Amino acid sequence: QVQLVQSGAEVKKPGASVKVSCKASGYTFITYGITWVRQAPGQGLEWMGWNNPHDGNTNYPQKLQGRITMTTDTSTSTAYMELRSLRSDDTAVYYCARVPYGAYHYDSWGQGTLITVSS
Amino acid sequence: QSALTQPPSASGSPGQSVTISCTGTSSDVGGYNSVSWYQQPPGKAPKLIIYEVSKRPSGVPDRFSGSKSGNTASLTVSGLQPEDEADYYCISYAGSSKLGEVFGTGTKVTVL
Repeated sequence: QVQLVQSGAEVKKPGASVKVSCKASGYTFITYGITWVRQAPGQGLEWMGWNNPHDGNTNYPQKLQGRITMTTDTSTSTAYMELRSLRSDDTAVYYCARVPYGAYHYDSWGQGTLITVSS
Repeated sequence: QSALTQPPSASGSPGQSVTISCTGTSSDVGGYNSVSWYQQPPGKAPKLIIYEVSKRPSGVPDRFSGSKSGNTASLTVSGLQPEDEADYYCISYAGSSKLGEVFGTGTKVTVL
């Protein structure tokens, strides 16, 4: 069955960087896109960007441009999301999710990774 | 792009039906048949329950149904069960992959 397993929770200081991993199994990794979504405590969902494991193409929202990088390692079927210059309002649960090519829904999700930014 | 508007809360007794609206614009909900719905139980990851307005993934009970009229999409949960208590979010394509999808504000469904 399709599984996306994310790395564990982390605590970071303001200004630091974090890299979250998302290991896929149960399907051919390069045949689906990966999107990242975050959820601040008690808040709704926020789109963080999209990565095409087949060709490495990425799309990021304007508000995160320059601070975020999404990559994939096709040899291990793992997607990564790195966020730099962390601020307190980056404290959130970060999710990866699978996206069928040509579609705009997220059909399988990771379990989430809590990133806490605190001095 | 602005968030899609959902009511903050909805409720119903077991066995009843509840309908959640998701209102956008002609640039997102009204312009494309790419609205999806997600169920998020407390402390858990979201789960896809409806895609492309009204299609159900394998394994999702047919108590969940979706529809769209103009700029408003709707999710109906029929025959409410205690395990349906969760937050529900809609997401819509907004015309550009570069801008990403637009998300709803979320609705907490309470089973009384």
